Amino acid sequence: DVQLVESGGGLVQPGGSLRLSCVVSGFTFSDYWVFWVRQAPGQGLVWVSRLNGDGTSVNYADSVRDRFTVSRDNAKNTVFLQMNSLRVEDTAVYYCTSSLRSYYFDYWGQGIQVTVSS
Amino acid sequence: DVQMTQSPSSVSASVGDRVTITCRASRGLNRQLGWYQQKPGKAPKLLISAASTLQTGVPSRFSGSGSGTDFTLTISSLQPEDIGTYYCQQGISFPLTFGPGTKVEIK
Repeated sequence: DVQLVESGGGLVQPGGSLRLSCVVSGFTFSDYWVFWVRQAPGQGLVWVSRLNGDGTSVNYADSVRDRFTVSRDNAKNTVFLQMNSLRVEDTAVYYCTSSLRSYYFDYWGQGIQVTVSS
Repeated sequence: DVQMTQSPSSVSASVGDRVTITCRASRGLNRQLGWYQQKPGKAPKLLISAASTLQTGVPSRFSGSGSGTDFTLTISSLQPEDIGTYYCQQGISFPLTFGPGTKVEIK
């Protein structure tokens, strides 16, 4: 079975940093693109980033560019989201998702809560 | 950026009813449109890709249609397990964008 499991969330003060991890199993990880999608409380879905299979091509939403960095370790079937200079408006559930080289989100993790508050 | 709109924002229907949700994009998508179902407290689930391709395991009462800027998700016979919020998403250009969602409830 395909599984994506996020970790690393929590409460952080504005201006702080967090690193999310997502461990993937059940498919050949290096063949898949990985995405992060977030959902603020009571709100809709917002795409955050996309990383290709070998980590050489990346895209970010304007709202996080220059603050967030996505990377992957294919040997450990893991994708990371390094979040710096966090803002209150970054508070959301963050989902790790993946697809076989398409712009649709086939597989999803359970989501991890990130709360930015003083 | 491609802006996505959905209508209605919510719908309440009886079990067995036909439910139709509309999604409109600010520019043509060449059928690069997906539909997702999200149940409360759960991650979204991809139902349909490329406007009309039903994902494996998704019940056949769900169908998608449309092209260009206007798309439709239809539930042919609403079931109790279909309650949740439905989102469309464009897959033609970055930033990838979602519609605001349509909440489906049982009357």
